[in-house]
Amino acid sequence: DQQVKQNSPSLSVQEGRISILNCDYTNSMFDYFLWYKKYPAEGPTFLISISSIKDKNEDGRFTVFLNKSAKHLSLHIVPSQPGDSAVYFCAASALRGSQGNLIFGKGTKLSVKP
Amino acid sequence: EAQVTQNPRYLITVTGKKLTVTCSQNMNHEYMSWYRQDPGLGLRQIYYSMNVEVTDKGDVPEGYKVSRKEKRNFPLILESPSPNQTSLYFCASSSREDTDTQYFGPGTRLTVL
Repeated sequence: DQQVKQNSPSLSVQEGRISILNCDYTNSMFDYFLWYKKYPAEGPTFLISISSIKDKNEDGRFTVFLNKSAKHLSLHIVPSQPGDSAVYFCAASALRGSQGNLIFGKGTKLSVKP
Repeated sequence: EAQVTQNPRYLITVTGKKLTVTCSQNMNHEYMSWYRQDPGLGLRQIYYSMNVEVTDKGDVPEGYKVSRKEKRNFPLILESPSPNQTSLYFCASSSREDTDTQYFGPGTRLTVL
């Protein structure tokens, strides 16, 4: 049973527009959520995180929103750039950050077209 | 340069032949993990370690072993590899002070025939 779901395998967006990547989770014990970005032939890189005590965290062009009651989080990228084209993974943990057991979604492939 | 290194980067082997994938980090990180990435399944955690001699199972530990005898090294051992362990493997590390920023290695592509 998937505990972290990214229901859109792919997303295509025009350069300059907003990209919204969604993630749902089922385990109410999850307390910390992270987004990673992965380019082909490279390891994932950390993007942004959010604790369950917050509903929003912003870092430059990236904002993560958390709706605990709906067990839903989303990553907004504004404005989208061609270099943002990558696979984005949502991850969740019952502990802060990457301590302990980290559960990943299957990923969403974002394509930003010039 | 701060980095996580994995060796080998590519390996083709046969069923049942024991192998070890090494992982080393030079950042004095406490936390280390192993993941596998498979098409349509994303990243799944195999094992993680919170410090020397402290390891625990992730989501898919069956068929794998790990050890953490030194802080910098976290080898992944496949005692008797099977074709369903054909995958892309990533090692990662992070510090106690900044557990968000997990540094990933470049990956090891393993094929078990």
